[in-house]
Amino acid sequence: DAKTTQPPSMDCAEGRAANLPCNHSTISGNEYVYWYRQIHSQGPQYIIHGLKNNETNEMASLIITEDRKSSTLILPHATLRDTAVYYCIVRDRPQNTGFQKLVFGTGTRLLVSP
Amino acid sequence: DAGVTQSPTHLIKTRGQQVTLRCSPKSGHDTVSWYQQALGQGPQFIFQYYEEEERQRGNFPDRFSGHQFPNYSSELNVNALLLGDSALYLCASSLKGPTYEQYFGPGTRLTVT
Repeated sequence: DAKTTQPPSMDCAEGRAANLPCNHSTISGNEYVYWYRQIHSQGPQYIIHGLKNNETNEMASLIITEDRKSSTLILPHATLRDTAVYYCIVRDRPQNTGFQKLVFGTGTRLLVSP
Repeated sequence: DAGVTQSPTHLIKTRGQQVTLRCSPKSGHDTVSWYQQALGQGPQFIFQYYEEEERQRGNFPDRFSGHQFPNYSSELNVNALLLGDSALYLCASSLKGPTYEQYFGPGTRLTVT
């Protein structure tokens, strides 16, 4: 089962910041938070990941609370092309094997409108 | 640099038949994972291959099997197809390691009639 909880849908006006929340209250100390998005009928696209510090890249920013029980993905200036399903994933990895799998929930459907 | 490629794009099969889906990983990647995505759901992990061996497996029956070749490409085989196997099948590649992100292909849409 997915270890994260996300709202099923959100709306955002074009040009405004989109803030997508995620709860992961059972996260353990060595688990990372990953964000992917999936535009209709395409494969999921990696956005960003983090462990405990805030992270930023060319696509988005990731804010992780100090207790690591929740995080927020921020798209600073949303465009129509950002309309997609956004998945917050706590990466489940067997100890010491180096192999990882992604456990997806149902994600948040973000609709960016003009 | 080509990303993850999958073939075919679409496929229609009849119940009871067998199907083989193919995946070529992103250049430099050595680990391939397969996911099944039913309509309206998030992708579900099927299995993962590294060094031509299955390393992890999700909750899927033995009808689902796979293979990885020396060039790191991979196949997903499904036997005795059921209507419920209709889904988007996604392949993802990565480097073996604890923090490397997975890159997904466009998927193969399988319809079982």
